[in-house]
Amino acid sequence: QKEVEQDPGPLSVPEGAIVSLNCTYSNSAFQYFMWYRQYSRKGPELLMYTYSSGNKEDGRFTAQVDKSSKYISLFIRDSQPSDSATYLCAMNSNSGYALNFGKGTSLLVTP
Amino acid sequence: GAVVSQHPSRVICKSGTSVKIECRSLDFQATTMFWYRQFPKQSLMLMATSNEGSKATYEQGVEKDKFLINHASLTLSTLTVTSAHPEDSSFYICSARTRGGLVVADTQYFGPGTRLTVL
Repeated sequence: QKEVEQDPGPLSVPEGAIVSLNCTYSNSAFQYFMWYRQYSRKGPELLMYTYSSGNKEDGRFTAQVDKSSKYISLFIRDSQPSDSATYLCAMNSNSGYALNFGKGTSLLVTP
Repeated sequence: GAVVSQHPSRVICKSGTSVKIECRSLDFQATTMFWYRQFPKQSLMLMATSNEGSKATYEQGVEKDKFLINHASLTLSTLTVTSAHPEDSSFYICSARTRGGLVVADTQYFGPGTRLTVL
């Protein structure tokens, strides 16, 4: 079993929809959680960074962490075609360690 | 925000040659840099962890004599693919860990990646 599981999709939604992206993990030591967005042939771009459990909001993006369930989510409100990309969840147990990535979910927002 | 650059962005080389990829943190000092490899439609796979002034730590299955990593300063790490072969063709991405202060502390920012094609 991989330490981080993420449905690769693809996920297709109409413009304006609320998008929900999720990851589960097995290592209870993970406490730093990140979401990255990656456009084709580009490096990942940090979207959200969360420490431990709870919610964090930044504009149209909301990250949730439920450590008791080992489950993290990223919500995108009022999705736009420019949000079409692959979204990678990542996490580690120590901020100095390398990140453990999910496979990434491919999102397509159609006009 | 924190900016990480990579050079070159794309390289095509013949089998047997060596290729050097540079990773620079432009506006912060990075004590640690990571090198990842990404195959099409796959996630990022960690190759090695590079700490400034010390030897890199390689992940299991990654040949350290083939993928030479040098972290000469707090802003520069290099990955050299020696005697490259077609199976080394991939997207190589570095990330740099911030020391805090400028942006979100202790998180990683990624370079734009280098696409290596070995003929």
